[in-house]
Amino acid sequence: NAGVMQNPRHLVRRRGQEARLRCSPMKGHSHVYWYRQLPEEGLKFMVYLQKENIIDESGMPKERFSAEFPKEGPSILRIQQVVRGDSAAYFCASSPAMDGELFFGEGSRLTVL
Amino acid sequence: EDQVTQSPEALRLQEGESSSLNCSYTVSGLRGLFWYRQDPGKGPEFLFTLYSAGEEKEKERLKATLTKKESFLHITAPKPEDSATYLCAVPPRGSSNTGKLIFGQGTTLQVKP
Repeated sequence: NAGVMQNPRHLVRRRGQEARLRCSPMKGHSHVYWYRQLPEEGLKFMVYLQKENIIDESGMPKERFSAEFPKEGPSILRIQQVVRGDSAAYFCASSPAMDGELFFGEGSRLTVL
Repeated sequence: EDQVTQSPEALRLQEGESSSLNCSYTVSGLRGLFWYRQDPGKGPEFLFTLYSAGEEKEKERLKATLTKKESFLHITAPKPEDSATYLCAVPPRGSSNTGKLIFGQGTTLQVKP
C-alpha cells in the first residue's frame, strides 16, 4: 500500500511564476490536508479538502493560493505569482476519516529565486 | 490563543541516556494530543494519540503520557536511530477535525553513540 505521494519533491521558481504541487493520498483516504513549513517555523495548517470540496481553508493566504481535490486525480496546491516568502516545504497529509490520524507525504520543497 | 509549546528546542543525549521531552498546550476541551517524528527531509510520521489525562502509550523505547496541561515523551535507553525532531500537535479549540492541527516547534533530538 503506497503512502502519500507528493511531486515534485523539489521545485525552483522565479518570482512571478506559478507553482503547482501535487498530492496523491493513500488508497482509501478521502480526506486531504495541506501544511506549510517555513524555514525555522513549525508546521502550519493551510487547507482541508475532500473529493471535489474545500472544507476548511482558514489557513490559506487570501491571495495567490488555491487548492483543489478533483473527482479524478491528485489534489493540487497552486501558488500564483510566487514571491520569495513562499519558499518553504509544503506537506500533504491524508486520513481515512475526519477524526483519524494523519499520514504525511515527504513534502515538496519550493525555492523562489 | 491556542498554543503548543515544546521544550527543550534541542536535546543531545549519549546512547543509553534516558530523558523526557515536554509539550504544553493551552487548548481547552482537548480532543486529542498527537506525537509525530520527523526525520530531516521527510514528512512527519505518526507515533501516538492521547485523549485523556492519565493516559499512557508505548512504542519500543518511547512512552507518551498526558496530563491536563502537558504531555511528556519519555525516551528510555535511546539509540542513535532515535535521532529526529519530535513534534507535538493538538486540534484547535472547538474543532472536531483532528486532521487540522496546531503543531509545536518541535524538539530536535540527537543521540550520540
